[in-house]
Amino acid sequence: EVQLLASGGGLVQPGGSLRLSCAGSGLTLSPYAMSWVRQAPGKGLEWVAGFSGSGDSSYYADSVKGRFTISRDISKNTVSLQMNSLRAEDTAVYYCARLIVEVVTTSMTPGGYFDYWGQGALVTVSS
Amino acid sequence: EIVLTQSPGTLSLSPGERATLSCRASQSVGSTYLAWYQQKPGQAPRLLIYGASSRATGIPDRFSGSGSGTDFTLTISRLEPEDFAVYYCQQYGTSLTFGGGTKLEIK
Repeated sequence: EVQLLASGGGLVQPGGSLRLSCAGSGLTLSPYAMSWVRQAPGKGLEWVAGFSGSGDSSYYADSVKGRFTISRDISKNTVSLQMNSLRAEDTAVYYCARLIVEVVTTSMTPGGYFDYWGQGALVTVSS
Repeated sequence: EIVLTQSPGTLSLSPGERATLSCRASQSVGSTYLAWYQQKPGQAPRLLIYGASSRATGIPDRFSGSGSGTDFTLTISRLEPEDFAVYYCQQYGTSLTFGGGTKLEIK
């Protein structure tokens, strides 16, 4: 059974840092364009960051660019999201998800749909 | 950035009825670069439809998608009790953006 297991969520003060990890079980993550998608409480979904399929490029939403960094550890079959300079508006459940790439978008980023999702990790930014 | 507007915001129907959910893009998403997801409380989203009309693995055939360009529709032909949830559309022609969701509730 394929599972994506997210960990590392918690409560952090504004301006602080947190690192999320996503481990693949029954699925090797490295060949895929893994991404992070977040959902603020009671709100909709927002793509945050992701890799290209080859893993040699990473992409970010404007709302997190310069503050968040996505990385992966092939040996551990994990994808991580380092979140710095956190703000109250970053409070959300963060999902890791596998992106099936169908197209290179007009923004020159991988375009596709998310077929596997992790269970989510709650990040709360509050003093 | 392409903005996806889903309507209605809430849809109240009874089991056995037909549900029609709309997703409209602020500009063309580029043919059929659109997916639909179902999300139940406390759960991660679940892929239903990709490429505007292709059902994901294991999705019952009562779910169908249609449309292209800027106007897309998700249809559930005959509602089952487990279908009451929130539904999101997502485009992938220009970056990756989601609609605001339609809540399908029991009438």
